[in-house]
Amino acid sequence: GENVEQHPSTLSVQEGDSAVIKCTYSDSASNYFPWYKQELGKGPQLIIDIRSNVGEKKDQRIAVTLNKTAKHFSLHITETQPEDSAVYFCAARTGGGADGLTFGKGTHLIIQP
Amino acid sequence: DSGVTQTPKHLITATGQRVTLRCSPRSGDLSVYWYQQSLDQGLQFLIQYYNGEERAKGNILERFSAQQFPDLHSELNLSSLELGDSALYFCASSVGPTGGYEQYFGPGTRLTVT
Repeated sequence: GENVEQHPSTLSVQEGDSAVIKCTYSDSASNYFPWYKQELGKGPQLIIDIRSNVGEKKDQRIAVTLNKTAKHFSLHITETQPEDSAVYFCAARTGGGADGLTFGKGTHLIIQP
Repeated sequence: DSGVTQTPKHLITATGQRVTLRCSPRSGDLSVYWYQQSLDQGLQFLIQYYNGEERAKGNILERFSAQQFPDLHSELNLSSLELGDSALYFCASSVGPTGGYEQYFGPGTRLTVT
């Protein structure tokens, strides 16, 4: 089955700086890659996603890039703000019999004032 | 607020017992997914229903079962509970039948087995 690796597990950046979180996946058949933000005591919130026919997608301060050849995708957050502090999860969808999302282990993003 | 609702928010029960978790999807969504989140296993896909039919299975134990009703709400039944079943249980909903559609998560049910 699919395996998703996520790095780093913890990332501390100064407010206003950029943050990058990286994920790799194992199954070349994977075709949908969402990113979720989870705040303490809440459910994961979809923040951006990308499909395998696209290399990059942007939404205001957030962008995601996908390299299908290398089987990795990344989340970029620019001009970080205190409210960006949370745990971020990448995920991949392969399809077939088990069509749910396979998640990475998460990155705890800390924005230092 | 994603529009997905889950009840109860918290559940405390003893080993060997059976519990039922409930989920109502966003208006218009036909798919419901169940996930388990624990410290050691992370977020794991359990099972998916689409318009009342089981559609996909993940790492769901035989002691666990689910169903989706005609009004599209779903229930996850956990039986013969063990200490290791303590976790957060999330449901997510999406409009389409496959995992390639955006999934929106509910606030979760925290299950504690003592």
